[in-house]
Amino acid sequence: GAGVSQTPSNKVTEKGKYVELRCDPISGHTALYWYRQSLGQGPEFLIYFQGTGAADDSGLPNDRFFAVRPEGSVSTLKIQRTERGDSAVYLCASSPQGRNYGYTFGSGTRLTVV
Amino acid sequence: EDKVVQSPLSLVVHEGDTVTLNCSYEVTNFRSLLWYKQEKKAPTFLFMLTSSGIEKKSGRLSSILDKKELFSILNITATQTGDSAVYLCAVASGAGSYQLTFGKGTKLSVIP
Repeated sequence: GAGVSQTPSNKVTEKGKYVELRCDPISGHTALYWYRQSLGQGPEFLIYFQGTGAADDSGLPNDRFFAVRPEGSVSTLKIQRTERGDSAVYLCASSPQGRNYGYTFGSGTRLTVV
Repeated sequence: EDKVVQSPLSLVVHEGDTVTLNCSYEVTNFRSLLWYKQEKKAPTFLFMLTSSGIEKKSGRLSSILDKKELFSILNITATQTGDSAVYLCAVASGAGSYQLTFGKGTKLSVIP
């Protein structure tokens, strides 16, 4: 597609529920990144995919968070047993290769855990 | 731990003013520094700087990096209301240089 597409744009869920956030990167971009932005903060790195594999998942805060990219294109960020502290905007970005130039961000998913 | 600090955190100016936004950093294995503009949710890329002293310019925006003093500035001349946004500074570091460490951003408000 023309840009990085993220769905849903907004998600409200109850504490303890499971959520999935989807990212559709720019066609042909092999690298995909997830970041999380809390209110008043800059984005924080979560995970980086090169192709289908997670090349670096060091930013995932705990084992409730998991991400997949099974065919090397669309990625899904999965959060189990959501907590109020998970409320944030989850941003996805893609680039032609695993370098910071050419990084294009999506509009994000605003997750609110009530 | 890598650290990026931006100042001021917020700024209100009148249309036509010139503003300077600051970004200082402490990182291991610096690769590059990037500036983004965030109006709603998606940060949009402005500049990437890798070398000291070389100004990058795009229209009314310009930026420069000082690798000795570990800071960068973003200048906006003749500000317009459309420049109102959060400006994010990020640093790429490490062997892969794909991971960005962001500052908290500077919220710029331009009033008519």
